[in-house]
Amino acid sequence: DAKTTQPPSMDCAEGRAANLPCNHSTISGNEYVYWYRQIHSQGPQYIIHGLKNNETNEMASLIITEDRKSSTLILPHATLRDTAVYYCIVRVWSGGSNYKLTFGKGTLLTVNP
Amino acid sequence: GAVVSQHPSRVICKSGTSVKIECRSLDFQATTMFWYRQFPKQSLMLMATSNEGSKATYEQGVEKDKFLINHASLTLSTLTVTSAHPEDSSFYICSARDSRLMNTEAFFGQGTRLTVV
Repeated sequence: DAKTTQPPSMDCAEGRAANLPCNHSTISGNEYVYWYRQIHSQGPQYIIHGLKNNETNEMASLIITEDRKSSTLILPHATLRDTAVYYCIVRVWSGGSNYKLTFGKGTLLTVNP
Repeated sequence: GAVVSQHPSRVICKSGTSVKIECRSLDFQATTMFWYRQFPKQSLMLMATSNEGSKATYEQGVEKDKFLINHASLTLSTLTVTSAHPEDSSFYICSARDSRLMNTEAFFGQGTRLTVV
């Protein structure tokens, strides 16, 4: 299974962009990168996913390097409510159209006033 | 995004009893559901994957006779913790997706805090 490496914690000032890095150097050609976040004592919330092109939605942008060995999640204007643990996950196919999401330790992003 | 509802949100039970946790997809057909467990200050650990109408596939080290999973309909899966013990106290989280579509994301419930006393 492809594994991911993330810094354990990061700080960001409110209103500034938060850039969360993730290394996934063993990713295979058909494996997607997913990002979820978990606010304390809640279930994870889906943020974004991508394969090789950069992606953007209403929550965030995902920048994937050309060699696909790393990616960066960008929250363009962080707010206090964005304080959470952010998980970068490489989706692993488990047969047919099924896949598994294996969570690593994630990055605790703390947005400061 | 899609909504996955878990019930109850927290439960306290006596050691030796069984507890059932429900996971419902409210606005989509969840052909695949996942059950995770999370201990304090740790990440989510996948326990099992279930496809509607089929037996669940358990991850290594997870006892299938202790953690019974039923996924009889496209909108409901249940996890029953049988003969619960204090070490089973944890945060249990379900996730669901429509696996008929290749690249759909999985959505998570709000979790169930189980305390065994």
